[in-house]
Amino acid sequence: GENVEQHPSTLSVQEGDSAVIKCTYSDSASNYFPWYKQELGKRPQLIIDIRSNVGEKKDQRIAVTLNKTAKHFSLHITETQPEDSAVYFCAATLRSNDYKLSFGAGTTVTVRA
Amino acid sequence: KAGVTQTPRYLIKTRGQQVTLSCSPISGHRSVSWYQQTPGQGLQFLFEYFSETQRNKGNFPGRFSGRQFSNSRSEMNVSTLELGDSALYLCASSLATGPTYEQYFGPGTRLTVT
Repeated sequence: GENVEQHPSTLSVQEGDSAVIKCTYSDSASNYFPWYKQELGKRPQLIIDIRSNVGEKKDQRIAVTLNKTAKHFSLHITETQPEDSAVYFCAATLRSNDYKLSFGAGTTVTVRA
Repeated sequence: KAGVTQTPRYLIKTRGQQVTLSCSPISGHRSVSWYQQTPGQGLQFLFEYFSETQRNKGNFPGRFSGRQFSNSRSEMNVSTLELGDSALYLCASSLATGPTYEQYFGPGTRLTVT
């Protein structure tokens, strides 16, 4: 997604530590920000999403924060486990894409046991 | 409820050929979107169909086309294949059109162009 920047591209963490992935977007009118997890050889699956009227959302060990002023949103995974190893994609609705989802390039997360 | 299915799962074609991929959405879902996934590029939006009409199109050449049938099943066609078309093609279905409807992805079709 050329208008959604995602960093880092790879992330290696020790089991039990936290992982943070950050995405920035260009369109101030963006209003929906989902995160997808894709395990090796499997299809992407929605893990959490946030809308522009909310600053933070949590679901057990994962949370997403949104800073509309700075136009960035982040995924936080706490107490990482080996099964968290996957590629994570952020996405945002962009006016330049007629408000369809534009995806970041993905972050490969490896949790070391 | 059965998930999104795609056929075939793997394809090997040669340059210049054409290919048709199929996607069957979750029962009751009327929107189908197609994405191209390549290493380092993430998911690139191809197009979306809703009620047999193309609702939106990404920045891909006209060699990429699609259609949707009355039962919401969708096909994607790529003509005059190029080496750079090698990718995983994913379709996703949702209840209706609009970005806030959760998209459910199929397993993908792995296309290799030689």
